[in-house]
Amino acid sequence: NAGVMQNPRHLVRRRGQEARLRCSPMKGHSHVYWYRQLPEEGLKFMVYLQKENIIDESGMPKERFSAEFPKEGPSILRIQQVVRGDSAAYFCASSRSLAGTDTQYFGPGTRLTVL
Amino acid sequence: AQTVTQSQPEMSVQEAETVTLSCTYDTSESDYYLFWYKQPPSRQMILVIRQEAYKQQNATENRFSVNFQKAAKSFSLKISDSQLGDAAMYFCAYRSAGSGGNQFYFGTGTSLTVIP
Repeated sequence: NAGVMQNPRHLVRRRGQEARLRCSPMKGHSHVYWYRQLPEEGLKFMVYLQKENIIDESGMPKERFSAEFPKEGPSILRIQQVVRGDSAAYFCASSRSLAGTDTQYFGPGTRLTVL
Repeated sequence: AQTVTQSQPEMSVQEAETVTLSCTYDTSESDYYLFWYKQPPSRQMILVIRQEAYKQQNATENRFSVNFQKAAKSFSLKISDSQLGDAAMYFCAYRSAGSGGNQFYFGTGTSLTVIP
């Protein structure tokens, strides 16, 4: 059973460009979470999605950031008009259900560098 | 909001020795889950151990065990017989068991070095 897949693993963008980060959850998992890890910090929650629905986006910046989890295909985290402060590692996690006993499994992350 | 504090930015341990990583948290909830994750240089987040707050018994996974003190809101990780492969960043995390259980709250991490 393949784990959580994220691609690309590394992404370089110039200021003002768009970044698209993809996450394929583990097989059988319908809950996806995105986290951001700034240098020297722990992971910070951004958004929680189920298929075709955003459930909790309390950690998402109000502008330039959006996320989706379509019926078919991976979850996408989209950052428009990137700035240097967006440089970070972005982690996706998935779980089978929301139950607290159900562990979130993390992908390897996408390291975004904004020049 | 819940907060998780790891007061040891860096720790080191001699190979085969035991080391304890500290974690405290702040919450007004009574039911929640606590986790330790390991992040090696590959940056993959790997679950090490999990504790349910309603359980008094401390969780154990092979060489890894926790000391969960609910009243003190403390959740330390003990690594016994340390191995070179244990070298990594270790993150303590909290997750609510209630309706707010969508997300983990992570500490800032402890970098563990294992000395051969």
